[in-house]
Amino acid sequence: EPEVTQTPSHQVTQMGQEVILRCVPISNHLYFYWYRQILGQKVEFLVSFYNNEISEKSEIFDDQFSVERPDGSNFTLKIRSTKLEDSAMYFCASSDGGVGYEQYFGPGTRLTVT
Amino acid sequence: RKEVEQDPGPFNVPEGATVAFNCTYSNSASQSFFWYRQDCRKEPKLLMSVYSSGNEDGRFTAQLNRASQYISLLIRDSKLSDSATYLCVVISNQAGTALIFGKGTTLSVSS
Repeated sequence: EPEVTQTPSHQVTQMGQEVILRCVPISNHLYFYWYRQILGQKVEFLVSFYNNEISEKSEIFDDQFSVERPDGSNFTLKIRSTKLEDSAMYFCASSDGGVGYEQYFGPGTRLTVT
Repeated sequence: RKEVEQDPGPFNVPEGATVAFNCTYSNSASQSFFWYRQDCRKEPKLLMSVYSSGNEDGRFTAQLNRASQYISLLIRDSKLSDSATYLCVVISNQAGTALIFGKGTTLSVSS
């Protein structure tokens, strides 16, 4: 069964450093997402991406965040200058349609900022 | 007011019990509703979509009351494997696809 994959599974970085989280969505999917979950809190939407551009973003997704689909398979989330409060589990998701289509989540990257 | 609110639990039930979870959402324009399941330190997985007419999938029944902005999930004949956190999820933006999650209700089924 096709699945979303994410690398690395755990990333430790120092405050102020840039990190890139990588995702390989399911191959025929068209919609891509990033969500995050701070430990003990709810899953929060960050950004959606369709047709090579951001289609929706939350207040969390400020100028320090960016997304890219550099080739036909990868989807990345870059955090330019990490803060302690960026420590969270970051989930990538993809779907093959818009509203009403199931979003399939990857296993997540645990980001720890020290 | 939080967009999606759930009773955090935990709900501790014996095997075979029936348990019900409730959820309320604040945006009356919300268009799509789901229950997701999340196991400890794992990704959320879709359990079922929720329709106005109510829908059932095996031991699971979901109901939506748009007038009250209320969603429910009923689990019958609980199994040990049902132990997880159940997330109420809404798409509140009519033009978007972003999932808005509740904090989740934790279920623990014991033998």
